[in-house]
Amino acid sequence: EAGVTQSPTHLIKTRGQQATLRCSPISGHTSVYWYQQALGLGLQFLLWYDEGEERNRGNFPPRFSGRQFPNYSSELNVNALELEDSALYLCASSLEVSPPDSPQHFGDGTRLSIL
Amino acid sequence: AQKVTQAQTEISVVEKEDVTLDCVYETRDTTYYLFWYKQPPSGELVFLIRRNSFDEQNEISGRYSWNFQKSTSSFNFTITASQVVDSAVYFCALSGGGSQGNLIFGKGTKLSVKP
Repeated sequence: EAGVTQSPTHLIKTRGQQATLRCSPISGHTSVYWYQQALGLGLQFLLWYDEGEERNRGNFPPRFSGRQFPNYSSELNVNALELEDSALYLCASSLEVSPPDSPQHFGDGTRLSIL
Repeated sequence: AQKVTQAQTEISVVEKEDVTLDCVYETRDTTYYLFWYKQPPSGELVFLIRRNSFDEQNEISGRYSWNFQKSTSSFNFTITASQVVDSAVYFCALSGGGSQGNLIFGKGTKLSVKP
């Protein structure tokens, strides 16, 4: 069974540009989560999508947005990129709302570098 | 507020030593879930264990064991007879309350196992 896949692996952008990160969940998983792992800040929750709808978002500005497609894959869009957006962006999926029954399984991440 | 504290930033041991990673959490929820994840240098977060708040039984899986104590709000992780392949960053996480869906992570403990 394929795990969570993310693309691209690395992404280099300049300040002010826009970035799009993609995630395909494990087959059968309907919930997709996005986390940011920046140096010194740890893992911070960004967004949660389930059945095509945004269910919850973390404490991030509106220029962080995304969507979930009918096949449950997801995109994370970051507009007006700033240097502080440089981080590893991790996508996770679960069978259903987590908790209670299904742990979140993570992909390898997309490393976004802002020059 | 919900919070996870991993007081040990870095631990270094010699192969075959036993090592315990500490995790202390704060939550007002009566039902919650605790998790441990391993992040090797490749970046992917690997799910290790999930424990719900009603199950205080300790768990052992091979060289790994977990000690959950509600009285002290702790969920510690012990690796017995550590190996070089155990070198990674280990994260303890708490499920977000209610239907929030997200995981709240500690800052992580970097474990280095030297031959």
